[in-house]
Amino acid sequence: SQQGEEDPQALSIQEGENATMNCSYKTSINNLQWYRQNSGRGLVHLILIRSNEREKHSGRLRVTLDTSKKSSSLLITASRAADTASYFCATASPQETSGSRLTFGEGTQLTVNP
Amino acid sequence: EPEVTQTPSHQVTQMGQEVILRCVPISNHLYFYWYRQILGQKVEFLVSFYNNEISEKSEIFDDQFSVERPDGSNFTLKIRSTKLEDSAMYFCASTRDRGNQPQHFGDGTRLSIL
Repeated sequence: SQQGEEDPQALSIQEGENATMNCSYKTSINNLQWYRQNSGRGLVHLILIRSNEREKHSGRLRVTLDTSKKSSSLLITASRAADTASYFCATASPQETSGSRLTFGEGTQLTVNP
Repeated sequence: EPEVTQTPSHQVTQMGQEVILRCVPISNHLYFYWYRQILGQKVEFLVSFYNNEISEKSEIFDDQFSVERPDGSNFTLKIRSTKLEDSAMYFCASTRDRGNQPQHFGDGTRLSIL
């Protein structure tokens, strides 16, 4: 089974509009994280939401988590052309071992048109 | 702000050759990770490392792969005999603690096997 599936795969909007991306996962988690990746670059951490949290805000970002449905959403409000990037959700599962591997989704390619 | 740095940014190697990818994690971080991303696909976990030993590895991380922390700052990934399918972006990440912590990623090394 595939952990961390995002939809839509691609999203194209106009500057100023809101963008919503969804993520579903299959196993129990410690936390869920959202990352952004500009073309050819590394992953930039956006926001982390713990399994006992339902909503979190950071600037223009709003993340929700529904552990009963094993799903999360990322909302970017008042989008800008500079928000154009790929967005990935990643889950960290409860681990007895040291460290915590992240399992990434397929990503959503967001294009914000000026 | 402290960063994870990776060198080289691009490595071109003949099939069958050995490659070493280098990473300098954030200085006070204790947990280190390697991930890879084949072009157009999602990011996949390879290995995590803590206290000078591997704490977890994925099925991708077979006997051809090894990791090392040769000194107090570097963290390396070695691929012993490269195959065409090893062509990918390789990302290093680090965290200060285990548990609910964001992982800080480098910009990656693009590995091209000819």
